[in-house]
Amino acid sequence: DTAVSQTPKYLVTQMGNDKSIKCEQNLGHDTMYWYKQDSKKFLKIMFSYNNKELIINETVPNRFSPKSPDKAHLNLHINSLELGDSAVYFCASSQDLAGQGSGETQYFGPGTRLLVL
Amino acid sequence: AQTVTQSQPEMSVQEAETVTLSCTYDTSESDYYLFWYKQPPSRQMILVIRQEAYKQQNATENRFSVNFQKAAKSFSLKISDSQLGDAAMYFCAEKASGSRLTFGEGTQLTVNP
Repeated sequence: DTAVSQTPKYLVTQMGNDKSIKCEQNLGHDTMYWYKQDSKKFLKIMFSYNNKELIINETVPNRFSPKSPDKAHLNLHINSLELGDSAVYFCASSQDLAGQGSGETQYFGPGTRLLVL
Repeated sequence: AQTVTQSQPEMSVQEAETVTLSCTYDTSESDYYLFWYKQPPSRQMILVIRQEAYKQQNATENRFSVNFQKAAKSFSLKISDSQLGDAAMYFCAEKASGSRLTFGEGTQLTVNP
């Protein structure tokens, strides 16, 4: 029943490791997003995909690589994890032709808390 | 670039009372949308209310309503009859035409019994 789901919910790992976070939405939306919420709770967009095509790519280290196998899935792979990558990562989706001016609501997943030791 | 400012890092309200959370934004676009999201301790981001800038009428969802002042670029959230379950971090957000969703810094709301 969950509209936007993420796995895992918690991820504790060592510096230098590679990890992935998976996201799936069953809302039939066209567009998916990854956001990072830092320790001060500030939310900032990282990536956006529309129908498997990368639309938004903010200034994010290239250790972060999103992958969208189909429009219902958007995974985030992180190479060579650093201490500063510790944060909560949110996936979201919307029925929104990115760049076309629609302001449809974005629905968020439950978040993945990543802790890099 | 869009910016969203929430000038109240923390607010508190007594149960059953009314509280207003402030938000101002800055955009040069004429077509945009405004949102309030709630993030309780569970961490889930939940949409509270949404406003289209082209609509003059203030959006309302049960106990939640907004005061949208377009000329002043202000978008405050009023919570009436506050309940303990309203305690959360509240984020104001703006999405302009062809742009990305930009969040404010958040306001932590405490509801006192």
